[in-house]
Amino acid sequence: GAGVSQSPRYKVAKRGQDVALRCDPISGHVSLFWYQQALGQGPEFLTYFQNEAQLDKSGLPSDRFFAERPEGSVSTLKIQRTQQEDSAVYLCASSLGRFGPNTGELFFGEGSRLTVL
Amino acid sequence: QKEVEQDPGPLSVPEGAIVSLNCTYSNSAFQYFMWYRQYSRKGPELLMYTYSSGNKEDGRFTAQVDKSSKYISLFIRDSQPSDSATYLCAMSGAGGGNKLTFGTGTQLKVEL
Repeated sequence: GAGVSQSPRYKVAKRGQDVALRCDPISGHVSLFWYQQALGQGPEFLTYFQNEAQLDKSGLPSDRFFAERPEGSVSTLKIQRTQQEDSAVYLCASSLGRFGPNTGELFFGEGSRLTVL
Repeated sequence: QKEVEQDPGPLSVPEGAIVSLNCTYSNSAFQYFMWYRQYSRKGPELLMYTYSSGNKEDGRFTAQVDKSSKYISLFIRDSQPSDSATYLCAMSGAGGGNKLTFGTGTQLKVEL
């Protein structure tokens, strides 16, 4: 497809379950970002990949959160032992350039909305 | 206190009005300033991108950055119902690229 694709669009999990969220970036985009957007808030940075290398994971809120991009294209965000406070929209974004001031426009997917009961 | 402050609204204006949206920030390292538009249940999309201080105009949209006051603005002229969305300001430091710090977002409704 032409844009960033995320799946599932909606996920309901029971507290304690593990979830996996998938992101297909725009073909050829080097940089991939995950952001978390809580209800009524702006997106908050979670982690960044340049190709397959995870260069920054400073925004991951706990060691229950894990992200990977093994072949430098598709990325998965995994949340283990989900808690209610993990309920949010998880946004994936990609850009053409490498990390730095001129990475180019950031293109966002529509997000995966996670609800933890 | 958050690094970026933005009034969440909601802001309701009649069609054709001039809309002013604003953000303040505390981190003097921010060099790149952006405005994103986010429709309900969609991802943010980039509207305007400005480096350092100054003005930038694109059609009905004008972005202003005043680094001395740590204050940025987005003006929308001749507002349309299709402009109804949440507007997010975002910024990053000199080496930060697209590791963005967002404001809360202002919800705008343009009424017929």
